[in-house]
Amino acid sequence: QKEVEQNSGPLSVPEGAIASLNCTYSDRGSQSFFWYRQYSGKSPELIMSIYSNGDKEDGRFTAQLNKASQYVSLLIRDSQPSDSATYLCAVNLYNTDKLIFGTGTRLQVFP
Amino acid sequence: KAGVTQTPRYLIKTRGQQVTLSCSPISGHRSVSWYQQTPGQGLQFLFEYFSETQRNKGNFPGRFSGRQFSNSRSEMNVSTLELGDSALYLCASSPLGSGYEQYFGPGTRLTVT
Repeated sequence: QKEVEQNSGPLSVPEGAIASLNCTYSDRGSQSFFWYRQYSGKSPELIMSIYSNGDKEDGRFTAQLNKASQYVSLLIRDSQPSDSATYLCAVNLYNTDKLIFGTGTRLQVFP
Repeated sequence: KAGVTQTPRYLIKTRGQQVTLSCSPISGHRSVSWYQQTPGQGLQFLFEYFSETQRNKGNFPGRFSGRQFSNSRSEMNVSTLELGDSALYLCASSPLGSGYEQYFGPGTRLTVT
């Protein structure tokens, strides 16, 4: 089992829809969770961090964390073509003091 | 605040050579981490420097090394380059450390021929 797993996609959604991106992790003791967006040919950009169970909202983005089920998700409301990118989930696994990245989910938003 | 900067942006080297990459973190950030990104392996952690000391290390061979200067600028060195070292090398800075928010630079694209 990989430490951090994401579906590689592509996930295709129409403009204006909600895009739902999921990530599971192996270590129940993990404490910190991050979502990054990476456009093709660019470096990853931090868009959300979440530390506690539940939802955290920032504009059109909502991060959801369920530590009991060991998953974290990212919802993008009112998806725009400019949201088309690869979304990387990163987890600070317990007792490692480093981020482990998933391989990313490619999102395509079509007009 | 200015973001993380990396130089050079592109490099082409020959197998067996060595290479040095440079990174300047966001002002005030003392933690600098280096990552390798390839299509096959994704984003993998190389090492972290904090206040001039290597604090964390990933699972890479000793050919990969780094250092950090008193102004928090960091360099990464790869010796005896192999074809498999071709990758995007990303530097990230953080106010707290490699287990927290990472702010990435634009990366250095290294091609080994």
